[in-house]
Amino acid sequence: QSALTQPRSVSGSPGQSVTISCTGTSADIGFYNYVSWYQQHPGKAPKLMIYDVSKRPSGVPERFSGSKSANTASLTISGLQAEDESVYYCCSYAGSYTYVFGTGTEVTVL
Amino acid sequence: EVQLVEVGGGLVQPGGSLRLSCAASGFTFSSYEMNWVRQAPGKGLEWVSYISSSGTTTYYADSVRGRFTISRDNAKNSLNLQMNSLRAEDTAIYYCAVEMTTMYMDVWGKGTTVTVSS
Repeated sequence: QSALTQPRSVSGSPGQSVTISCTGTSADIGFYNYVSWYQQHPGKAPKLMIYDVSKRPSGVPERFSGSKSANTASLTISGLQAEDESVYYCCSYAGSYTYVFGTGTEVTVL
Repeated sequence: EVQLVEVGGGLVQPGGSLRLSCAASGFTFSSYEMNWVRQAPGKGLEWVSYISSSGTTTYYADSVRGRFTISRDNAKNSLNLQMNSLRAEDTAIYYCAVEMTTMYMDVWGKGTTVTVSS
């Protein structure tokens, strides 16, 4: 299983919106709606931010949203805040109880 | 509060073995599927292995199949990862994660570090 493709970095000023893409294949993102996004601060464990493509777990701010089109999923952070500066990973179910993560995107708040 | 605590990491020589454990608390461990995920230094996340709630079904990433074995002891609320024939590329932080929401690793431990080096 090859890692899903994400941009290495994105940036935005406070209050702006940023979107992170996550490109997979017809065997993972394109086939299943089990797409999730994780936030990982330095030295910390990943935190689930989005699941089922677009659902937010309890406690995750509404400014985080997800979507999917064909083989590409996206995470949008609207109204960027300083605490959103982190690394974000997408993840997709890939069949037979296996999962594939994205390459990771560093979000910088300017 | 759901808690996962990984132990067992350390320094091991190439070709050696190590057994990781993950102690679970704050939830009915026997009801949930579990996973191991690793992260090499400065790299991204890599899914390693899955085990069903009963322990009867297991799956592995191609990179570890045949060398790693996942298991669980529901009576002791413990998840394990037996790692044999270790290679330098297995050096990573190893996290255990529970699927409180089916199909998603929604609670993670803090991880334990494995270093494979001579």
